[in-house]
Order: sequence, then C-alpha cells, then structure tokens
Amino acid sequence: SQTIHQWPATLVQPVGSPLSLECTVEGTSNPNLYWYRQAAGRGLQLLFYSVGIGQISSEVPQNLSASRPQDRQFILSSKKLLLSDSGFYLCAWSVRGTHNQPQHFGDGTRLSIL
Amino acid sequence: DQQVKQNSPSLSVQEGRISILNCDYTNSMFDYFLWYKKYPAEGPTFLISISSIKDKNEDGRFTVFLNKSAKHLSLHIVPSQPGDSAVYFCAAMDSNYQLIWGAGTKLIIKP
Repeated sequence: SQTIHQWPATLVQPVGSPLSLECTVEGTSNPNLYWYRQAAGRGLQLLFYSVGIGQISSEVPQNLSASRPQDRQFILSSKKLLLSDSGFYLCAWSVRGTHNQPQHFGDGTRLSIL
Repeated sequence: DQQVKQNSPSLSVQEGRISILNCDYTNSMFDYFLWYKKYPAEGPTFLISISSIKDKNEDGRFTVFLNKSAKHLSLHIVPSQPGDSAVYFCAAMDSNYQLIWGAGTKLIIKP
C-alpha cells in the first residue's frame, strides 16, 4: 500500500531563517506531488505541484520554492522566512495521468515563525 | 472569487442522527467532487467522491449527492458517531486535475 511521510511534524523558526520541509511517498511510482498550506481558520491553499522530476508549477507568488530531486521526493524550501509563512504545511500525492483520482495527504508540518 | 463554497462554518448534530454537510460550486466544468475529513494537526483523509455522471455515491455510512443543475453537493453521514467530529472539506477537480477546496465545515457530534 502507498504511504506518504512528512517531516518534521512541528518546527519553530526565527524570522529570516531558512526552511526545508521534506516529503516522500512509498508504494507508488511517478506520482503527482503537491504542497499545500492551511493558514489558521482557513481552507487549503495549493502552493506547488509537480508531475515529474524537476517539473514544478507554482500557484502563488511568494518566498517559498519547491524541488523534486527524485521521483518520490518533494521538498519545500525558503531562503528567508517571513512571519506570514506560519501555518500548517501539507504534502499530498495522486496517481499521475489519470483523471478523477483523489489526492492523499501526509500528516503535515506545523510551522511557527517567531 | 470562491469557486467552491461551504457556507456553514460549523454544524452540531446529536449522536445517532443524520449529519448533512453542504457544498456549492460555481464552475459548471467541474466534473469530479470529493469530500475529505480532517482532525486537528493531521492531514485531510479522503472519504468519498462522485463523478458528474452520477447523482449519488454511497460508501457505508457516507453518501454523497450531486445536483448538477443547482451546482450543489451534500455529504450525508448516518448514523452520526462521536468519531465523526472533525472538519469536513469539499473539493472539486478542475480541468488541470487540480483540487479547488472549500473553507471547511466543523462537525460536532453531541453525545
């Protein structure tokens, strides 16, 4: 069966520090991969998605970036965090190339910027 | 402009009764709809979905109804159980295979 892992579960970082959140998927090949953010009291906002190694699409302009160095690895990064980057970050995967398939989520990373 | 709307931020239901969660959408090109359940500090869990060629899909205690003419879908949970207390998100898939999310409805099941 497929599993998705995100780490760390919680992270407290000072303003201006760098960020690296990692997500890996097991049990499937060539997945679509996604990074979402849920700000307090709000719905899910798609940040990035990837349909293959090195292929990243950005949905919102910001100081975050994403990379996919391997087929089942998706990394969310920032060079300098802002207070507004606080939130709950979620990674998800779905079957590539097939319509009408759900996305499956990891347990998320709670990021607090001080 | 919100394309997927969940107008009830919260809903309280007695244990054993039916919970009905509602969702409206504006884009008639959406053809696949999903419901997710989310506990605090966890990722959303996929519950049930429906394609636009159907008007009903059932899985155990969960049934999703789709009314395309009204651009409305609903999730019915019966009977409601304490473990159903969570935030429920409605989502629609667009032509680029991306999910458009509602803001969520917090369901509280009272004992």
